[in-house]
Amino acid sequence: DGGITQSPKYLFRKEGQNVTLSCEQNLNHDAMYWYRQDPGQGLRLIYYSQIVNDFQKGDIAEGYSVSREKKESFPLTVTSAQKNPTAFYLCASRGGLNPNEQFFGPGTRLTVL
Amino acid sequence: GQNIDQPTEMTATEGAIVQINCTYQTSGFNGLFWYQQHAGEAPTFLSYNVLDGLEEKGRFSSFLSRSKGYSYLLLKELQMKDSASYLCAVTLDGGFKTIFGAGTRLFVKA
Repeated sequence: DGGITQSPKYLFRKEGQNVTLSCEQNLNHDAMYWYRQDPGQGLRLIYYSQIVNDFQKGDIAEGYSVSREKKESFPLTVTSAQKNPTAFYLCASRGGLNPNEQFFGPGTRLTVL
Repeated sequence: GQNIDQPTEMTATEGAIVQINCTYQTSGFNGLFWYQQHAGEAPTFLSYNVLDGLEEKGRFSSFLSRSKGYSYLLLKELQMKDSASYLCAVTLDGGFKTIFGAGTRLFVKA
């Protein structure tokens, strides 16, 4: 089945450690996105990529980094420079027959202890 | 700047009708989405409006007025499973970037 996968569902890290969240899609979508969601708030855009080997900063990119070496994969690294990394992280992709709709992965809940 | 406003919470009774409003002020507009999100889960697509008017899809309908920067989501014959957050989102020109509202938490009571 086509879709977006994120792993793991829950992730715990110690403060000061970098951590990489995975996002894989087999929908053949060109565009991919990373969002952060905090309790009672909407989704805020961290980074997005319109095509392989290209990505752009979103509204809250500080303390995060990404890569887009393959069309299917868009990993997000949460660095120690991110002051408040504990949040729910959602990956999405867009493209295909309905080019405006974003399809979301199941999310990763990151807790930094 | 970009701004999307929705009520924080709403409560309605099972079997009733509820309307969730959304107003937006954005630099550019390509379309407006409504998503449903249950706690701890990913948002799921409900509707997409590009042109003014009402789009109906089963128990859910969505309305858009671009001149007023206004949309609403109408849920009919409410069920307990409709208890969730409803996110209003605007896709900007070019369709690459989408801005999300904070969401409206809907509580459906028996």
